[in-house]
Formats: sequence, structure tokens, C-alpha cells
Amino acid sequence: QKEVEQDPGPLSVPEGAIVSLNCTYSNSAFQYFMWYRQYSRKGPELLMYTYSSGNKEDGRFTAQVDKSSKYISLFIRDSQPSDSATYLCAMSDVYSGYALNFGKGTSLLVTP
Amino acid sequence: GAVVSQHPSRVICKSGTSVKIECRSLDFQATTMFWYRQFPKQSLMLMATSNEGSKATYEQGVEKDKFLINHASLTLSTLTVTSAHPEDSSFYICSASTGPFSRNTIYFGEGSWLTVV
Repeated sequence: QKEVEQDPGPLSVPEGAIVSLNCTYSNSAFQYFMWYRQYSRKGPELLMYTYSSGNKEDGRFTAQVDKSSKYISLFIRDSQPSDSATYLCAMSDVYSGYALNFGKGTSLLVTP
Repeated sequence: GAVVSQHPSRVICKSGTSVKIECRSLDFQATTMFWYRQFPKQSLMLMATSNEGSKATYEQGVEKDKFLINHASLTLSTLTVTSAHPEDSSFYICSASTGPFSRNTIYFGEGSWLTVV
């Protein structure tokens, strides 16, 4: 079983929709949770970072972490065509430093 | 903001040859850099941790003699794929952190596409 599971999609939504992206994980030691956006053939760009459980909001993006369920989410409000990309969840524990464990990524397409 | 630069962004090499990929931290010093590999529609897989002035730490299953990592300075790490084969064709990405304690200081390079023909 992979440590981080993420549905690869693709997920297609109309412009303006609320998008929900999710990851589950198995390693209870993970404490740092990140969401990255990756455009085709580019390096990942950090969107959201959360430590331990809770919610974090930044503009149209909200990240949620439920450590009891080992489940994290990213919500995108008022989605735009420019949000079309692959979204990768990543996480790490205190022992592995800055080495990250990534999900497969979910491909999102926002149609005008 | 902090920038991590990779070069080349794309490279095609013949089977059996070696190719070097550079990862530079442009405006900060990085004692540790990380090399990942990403196959199409797959997640980024950590290959190795590059430590300035010392040997790299490789993940299980990654051949250290095939993927040579050198971190000669605080701003440069290089990955050399030796005796490349078509199955080594992949997207290679490096990352580095600007700060000692927070995961939100991790930056990724733009990646390097390697095609072995």
C-alpha cells in the first residue's frame, strides 16, 4: 500500500464550480501537509501548507487536514480555467526533513 | 522570492551515454537538495537527498552508481545519469529549502525532461 493515495482523475468542472480534491495517507507520523499545483511539464508550485490538523484558507483555496481520519482536502472556490492543472498532495514527518511523500496528483480541467 | 533553477530543461541523449542535470539555488544557500523522478501520470518519487560536502543518501531501489549526485557547493547540486537507457527517460526535478524549520520553504525547480533514444 502506498503511503499517500490520491485519485488521479481526470476531474472536469465548469468555470465557477467548487472543486474538492482529496488525499488519504497511512503514515500517522505525517505532520506536514502541502498541496502543489503542477502545470504540464513544469515543476510543482506550492499552493497551501498546513501543519498538523485544521483548516487553512488563502484566497480561493482552503486546505483541510483531518489527522484522525488520515485525510486531507483542498477546496477551490470559484474555479477558473487557469486553475486547470495537476494538483499534488504531499506530506512529511518530522524525521524525514524536507523529503516529501507525494500523491499521484489529480488532473483538473476547468471548462469555460 | 526564492528560486531553484534546473538546467537543461530538456535533453535527448543516446543510449549508453551519460547526461548531467544541474540544480541551482539562485538567491539562497541550500545545504540539502532533493532529487525526484516523475514518470507520466505518476507521482514524484524521491530518488536521493543531496548533502553539501558529503555523500548523497539514496532511496531504496535507486542505483547510486547509475545516478551520481554531487553537491559541491551550497548553491549547486548535479545529477548525472550514467550509461543511460530508454527506461531512464523521465522528468527529473530537484527541490531545496530556504529555511531550517518549515516545510513551506521548499521550492522546486522547473524540472528536466530526459529522453534516452
